[in-house]
Amino acid sequence: SYEVTQTVSVSVALGQTARITCVRNYIGSEGVHWYQQKPGQAPVVVMYRDFNRPSGIPERFSGSYSGNTATLTISRAQAGDEADYYCQVWDSSTAGVLFGGGTKLTVL
Amino acid sequence: QLQLQESGPGLVKPSETLSLTCTVSGGSISGSSHYWDWIRQSPGKGLEYIGYIYSTGGTYYIASLQSRVSISVDLSNNQFSLTLASVTAADTAVYYCALRGTYTAPFDYWGQGTLVTVSS
Repeated sequence: SYEVTQTVSVSVALGQTARITCVRNYIGSEGVHWYQQKPGQAPVVVMYRDFNRPSGIPERFSGSYSGNTATLTISRAQAGDEADYYCQVWDSSTAGVLFGGGTKLTVL
Repeated sequence: QLQLQESGPGLVKPSETLSLTCTVSGGSISGSSHYWDWIRQSPGKGLEYIGYIYSTGGTYYIASLQSRVSISVDLSNNQFSLTLASVTAADTAVYYCALRGTYTAPFDYWGQGTLVTVSS
């Protein structure tokens, strides 16, 4: 079965660069979407189809993809970037949706 | 701008049926080509996809819930609903309704989520 794996937690110093990865156990042509979720709030899309940034999301957020790994990069990390980040893919084997387990980003 | 709002009981007894409704405002469900989805999140855990109903009425449910879950749409009230039968404590979660424009699109719109606790 298809799976997506994320690092459980990532820490970054204020103003530095954080990288959050999402690894698929298969090679897929469909893009990876990324969501930011702050406590008590619904998730918000911060990147779609690997590297497309929705309007309103700071340019500090960027996405990339290589092989079976997608990476969300947050440059010049701010305290307000502390959140859980989830990747999401389309599971073509079941026609469903898969979420990664989530990465807790801590800004020190 | 579409807005989604979940509603339903916050407490359900074990073995009973959980029923939630998602009311859509700012646009009409009927005539739109969207996927209307349900996603849940157990306390302190990650996001779990439940399933969708498409504008044609087609549905999809994840295998682990397929025998207990149903998603339906009420075009006249601009709502879609989730029912989950024979609930247990493991079904305690925040339930979100969401919307995406195409099969592989991200979930652009989310409800605020509603906590459902399964307890006697």
